[in-house]
Amino acid sequence: QVQLQQSGPGLVRPAQSLSLTCGISGDTVSSNSAAWNWIRQSPSRGLEWLGRTYYRSKWYYDYAASLKGRMSVNPDTSKNQFSLQLNSVSPEDTAMYYCAREEITGEFRIWGRGTLVTVSS
Amino acid sequence: DIQMTQSPSSVSANVGDRVTITCQASQGIHNYLNWYQQKPGEAPKLLIHDASTLETGVPSRFSGSGSGTVLTFTISSLQREDVGTYYCQQYEKLPLTFGGGTKVEIK
Repeated sequence: QVQLQQSGPGLVRPAQSLSLTCGISGDTVSSNSAAWNWIRQSPSRGLEWLGRTYYRSKWYYDYAASLKGRMSVNPDTSKNQFSLQLNSVSPEDTAMYYCAREEITGEFRIWGRGTLVTVSS
Repeated sequence: DIQMTQSPSSVSANVGDRVTITCQASQGIHNYLNWYQQKPGEAPKLLIHDASTLETGVPSRFSGSGSGTVLTFTISSLQREDVGTYYCQQYEKLPLTFGGGTKVEIK
């Protein structure tokens, strides 16, 4: 059974970087039949897809245009996990952040429990 | 980006009632749509994928239909445990996008 374990700080100062990690059990980050996503949720934006990484003979990365240049998703095969880094955060980045496993057929079947990140000084 | 407009934004119904939620896509998405249920304090839970395929273990009172730009989700007989917020999500094109949600309550 695949499970995702999120970790990372719940408070980030404005203009700093947000870093979250999603540990994978029951699967591997280099699986050829999954993609590893970050999604956030806030009252103002609802559910917002941020980006993903996946391995199909090489690593691929996709990002939401609104965050491109400010965020990265990185796999770590040695620890079987993937991470989110979001730079230059502002209070508008305050949200619940989820990692999720996307099936090759496009659905998010497995989700992490979520990390509430507050951007505040 | 493909905009997903979900309606209604909230619905209050009696136990046993039929509840229908609609998701309208800003462009055709074939049947590349998933439906999720979210309860307070929890992550979304996949109920239906590919517009109409019921996820394993999900009660048969939940169903989905449609393709193209208008897709629907139905609870045939509302139960108390169905209270929560329901979301659609398209995967026709990046960026993956979600509807705004429909909050379902018991009257």
